[in-house]
Amino acid sequence: DGGITQSPKYLFRKEGQNVTLSCEQNLNHDAMYWYRQDPGQGLRLIYYSQIVNDFQKGDIAEGYSVSREKKESFPLTVTSAQKNPTAFYLCASSWTGNNEQYFGPGTRLTVT
Amino acid sequence: GESVGLHLPTLSVQEGDNSIINCAYSNSASDYFIWYKQESGKGPQFIIDIRSNMDKRQGQRVTVLLNKTVKHLSLQIAATQPGDSAVYFCAESNDYKLSFGAGTTVTVRA
Repeated sequence: DGGITQSPKYLFRKEGQNVTLSCEQNLNHDAMYWYRQDPGQGLRLIYYSQIVNDFQKGDIAEGYSVSREKKESFPLTVTSAQKNPTAFYLCASSWTGNNEQYFGPGTRLTVT
Repeated sequence: GESVGLHLPTLSVQEGDNSIINCAYSNSASDYFIWYKQESGKGPQFIIDIRSNMDKRQGQRVTVLLNKTVKHLSLQIAATQPGDSAVYFCAESNDYKLSFGAGTTVTVRA
């Protein structure tokens, strides 16, 4: 069963703690992306990676970090430096050179 | 930077009627556009796409129209069904990075 998985679906953290969101894909896609979605808004790009061991900042990278050690995995760490971390986080992947991105089910992070 | 936006945040449609969802974009260099559907609490799902060298593309019950002169994109859904209730996003692509609009919430009335 191919696709993108994100875990957990819901995540709760205390302010000041770092938290890592998981994203795994078995579609053999080269490129992976992280987006943030706030209520009533569109998706905003945090980080993206087009190849293993390489990644670039998106439009709102401050307070976030990523790694891409394996083709299948692109974890996102929300650090304590992120001022408003509570949001719905979406991971996506695509073939290199292909515009169509496939999205995972998302992780809803709540920081109190 | 440039942004993609939708004309209306909400649309209420009678079941069986056709739906038209509009999107205005501002980056004339965008070469590819996608419509996504997002149901509550889920990730977006691809509906249909169109390249900038086309002005119309049809799928199953959906049609996308692109008017580059006025930088306008629309999604038409034929015979709208209850399962079409969702938030619809248009996205434009530059260098394979997508920029999304705020979305239109479609509610289908029985």
